[in-house]
This record gives sequence, C-alpha cells and structure tokens, in this order.
Amino acid sequence: DGGITQSPKYLFRKEGQNVTLSCEQNLNHDAMYWYRQDPGQGLRLIYYSQIVNDFQKGDIAEGYSVSREKKESFPLTVTSAQKNPTAFYLCASRIRDTHYEQYFGPGTRLTVT
Amino acid sequence: AQSVSQHNHHVILSEAASLELGCNYSYGGTVNLFWYVQYPGQHLQLLLKYFSGDPLVKGIKGFEAEFIKSKFSFNLRKPSVQWSDTAEYFCAVNYQENQGGKLIFGQGTELSVKP
Repeated sequence: DGGITQSPKYLFRKEGQNVTLSCEQNLNHDAMYWYRQDPGQGLRLIYYSQIVNDFQKGDIAEGYSVSREKKESFPLTVTSAQKNPTAFYLCASRIRDTHYEQYFGPGTRLTVT
Repeated sequence: AQSVSQHNHHVILSEAASLELGCNYSYGGTVNLFWYVQYPGQHLQLLLKYFSGDPLVKGIKGFEAEFIKSKFSFNLRKPSVQWSDTAEYFCAVNYQENQGGKLIFGQGTELSVKP
C-alpha cells in the first residue's frame, strides 16, 4: 500500500533533549512538509522540501531542523531550543506541479516534560 | 498577511440536521481551496477541493462547498449530518503566488453530532 508513515505514534522526552521524528513516503512524491498541530490553532508549517537536498523554512521553523537526503524521507528534529515542543506533528507530501493537494501521515504526538 | 479564518470553533448538531461551516481567507490573488477532515484517531484526509470552474464543488460523503470569490469564502455544507461525521474540519488555502505549494490552514472546527 502506498502512503506516508510516521513513527513513533507517541514520543516522550525530557526537556533539554533533541528528538527526531521520522517521516517516510512511498508515493514517489517530490515535495514534503512538516506541520505542527495545536488545539485551536490549526496546522502551522514548520519546514518544507520540494526536492532532495533542498528545504525551506516555514512559518514556525525556530527550534527545528530537517534534512532531505532521500526523496522518500524527511525527518524532523525538535531541538532543545524549541520553547514549547509538546504538540502533534504531521508530515505531508505532494506531487510537484499539481494543484497543491497534500497527503498526510498519521502524526506523532510528542510530549516533553 | 495571508490568513484563513474559520468562524466556528465547536459546532454541536443532532443527526439529520443541516451543516454549514464558514471559511474566509484574506485576499492574495489566485487561490486553490481545500477542506480536510480529521476523524478521531485517523489521518487528516481530503474532503473536497476547488481549483477552477464551477464554484460549487462536491466531495466525499455527501459534503459540498461553494466558492464565493467576492466574499473570499469557501463554506462547507452537508444537508443532513450523521453521527459518523463527528470530526474536526479544516479549511486550507494555497496562494499560487507562494513558492513551494504551501497550504495555510484555518484554526479548525470541531463538529459533534448527537445520535
């Protein structure tokens, strides 16, 4: 089955630790995105990548980092510099040069204490 | 600034009632418009989309939406809701002038349907 996988589903970390969230897609999509979802705030864009080895900051990139070494993978690192990291993180992808419809993974809920 | 606003944060309806969820976006040229739904414990999935042509678009599960360009609105409707429509609904806009195909999301509307 084609789709987007995110692992793990739940993640717990202590304050001050970096943590990496996984996102893999086998849809052969070119572009990938990371969003953060908080209650009452919708989804906010953290980073996105349109091609391998290239990525751009979204609206709330501070305290996060990404890499795009392979087309199918777009991991997100939540660093200790992120002031409020507890949230639900969603990964998405789309084919380039289409009408911008994005497909979403199941999400990772990160809790930092 | 580009923004999307959903007027209702939480809507409670009885089964068979009609639904209309509001969505307005700020001016920004040509747009592509989407409604996504997030059922409890499930992936965010696309309900319907508008790119061009007929401003009344039909989606899955009996949902439809109307694009009114003069009002910068893209309201979601369903004539008769079911308990299984209980979910969170998100309006999203792609401004074509933006690089990268980014979507800007509204705050979301939580719909609770009472059986």
